[in-house]
Amino acid sequence: GQNIDQPTEMTATEGAIVQINCTYQTSGFNGLFWYQQHAGEAPTFLSYNVLDGLEEKGRFSSFLSRSKGYSYLLLKELQMKDSASYLCAVRDSNYQLIWGAGTKLIIKP
Amino acid sequence: DTAVSQTPKYLVTQMGNDKSIKCEQNLGHDTMYWYKQDSKKFLKIMFSYNNKELIINETVPNRFSPKSPDKAHLNLHINSLELGDSAVYFCASSQEGESSPLHFGNGTRLTVT
Repeated sequence: GQNIDQPTEMTATEGAIVQINCTYQTSGFNGLFWYQQHAGEAPTFLSYNVLDGLEEKGRFSSFLSRSKGYSYLLLKELQMKDSASYLCAVRDSNYQLIWGAGTKLIIKP
Repeated sequence: DTAVSQTPKYLVTQMGNDKSIKCEQNLGHDTMYWYKQDSKKFLKIMFSYNNKELIINETVPNRFSPKSPDKAHLNLHINSLELGDSAVYFCASSQEGESSPLHFGNGTRLTVT
């Protein structure tokens, strides 16, 4: 079967750096997405990786290793508003999105 | 504002009733989706639809049916509601292309009593 694994919950301190990991086992690979979802709100798009390496976008960066079936989302200079769930999703060989359950990130002052 | 909008935001109803959730997107996207997010926060695809085909997740009961009057709308009809249908339902849209992200509506929290 197809599977996306993420830690259920992480805690970090305001101003620090946190790395949220995602490992996947899917039938084929056509890109990996990261989304942010605040409680009670819709998921919003953060990043897309299809080639190996690091994609940087402001305080957020996303890394992909296709050979390892692994990605991470790196959040720098954490702010209280970064408290949210972070969802990893992989597009498989049928171009269907397979979603992880999300990582709830708690930021403490 | 360009967006995906869905109504209502909250829907409380009794078992056995029939209800609809409306969704509209003004982004000019080709494909629209319905997702169910349960209490464990998994996003489960229910339907995806563009002007060429409707793809149905085979695990979705046939009490659920999508209706698309035009490219910008994909409504969700639910017949004979059950307690287990309680969840948040998200509409989304995307442009064609593997790198195109999904744009989500704000969700409809359905509570079946």
